[in-house]
Amino acid sequence: DTGVSQDPRHKITKRGQNVTFRCDPISEHNRLYWYRQTLGQGPEFLTYFQNEAQLEKSRLLSDRFSAERPKGSFSTLEIQRTEQGDSAMYLCASSRGTSSNEQFFGPGTRLTVL
Amino acid sequence: RKEVEQDPGPFNVPEGATVAFNCTYSNSASQSFFWYRQDCRKEPKLLMSVYSSGNEDGRFTAQLNRASQYISLLIRDSKLSDSATYLCAVKDDKIIFGKGTRLHILP
Repeated sequence: DTGVSQDPRHKITKRGQNVTFRCDPISEHNRLYWYRQTLGQGPEFLTYFQNEAQLEKSRLLSDRFSAERPKGSFSTLEIQRTEQGDSAMYLCASSRGTSSNEQFFGPGTRLTVL
Repeated sequence: RKEVEQDPGPFNVPEGATVAFNCTYSNSASQSFFWYRQDCRKEPKLLMSVYSSGNEDGRFTAQLNRASQYISLLIRDSKLSDSATYLCAVKDDKIIFGKGTRLHILP
């Protein structure tokens, strides 16, 4: 399977714990995006990378959230001191570099904070 | 005004009917436009890109109206399998999604 992959697919954690998610993009795609989606809403943009450079961060991304893409391939999204409001589906997408190219999504990581 | 707005629906449409969705966007400098389909508890999947001249893919037709800043999706001869949420997406460097329009095709 050469699509976008995400791990884990599901994560249940207690409030206050830290969690980390991983995304592996399509191999020739140099752009990688993180989105968050809650029930009844469209995906909300969090941040994106071009290669290893983080180019934009949404104001939704509080200081408890951090994302990295150290070698320009896979990316991690970490949430520190999780809150119940962090419960959502976290989606990763990748695309080729030009702005006209469509994004392809991974299956997402569903986070539940108890 | 929200960046991308859609009627959330639901649209309940009998099988075989034609249904159309509109989506408006606020950034007049937006360059790329897409429709995604999302099934329940699945990730969004690209349905089609939207080109300035309009484009068609089988039963699906997408249109872009830059002057009025909206895009549309028309589904002809709807099938039960078309039931899903349809997300409008507008892209500059990143894609901004609407909340989606829920479509239920009724047998």
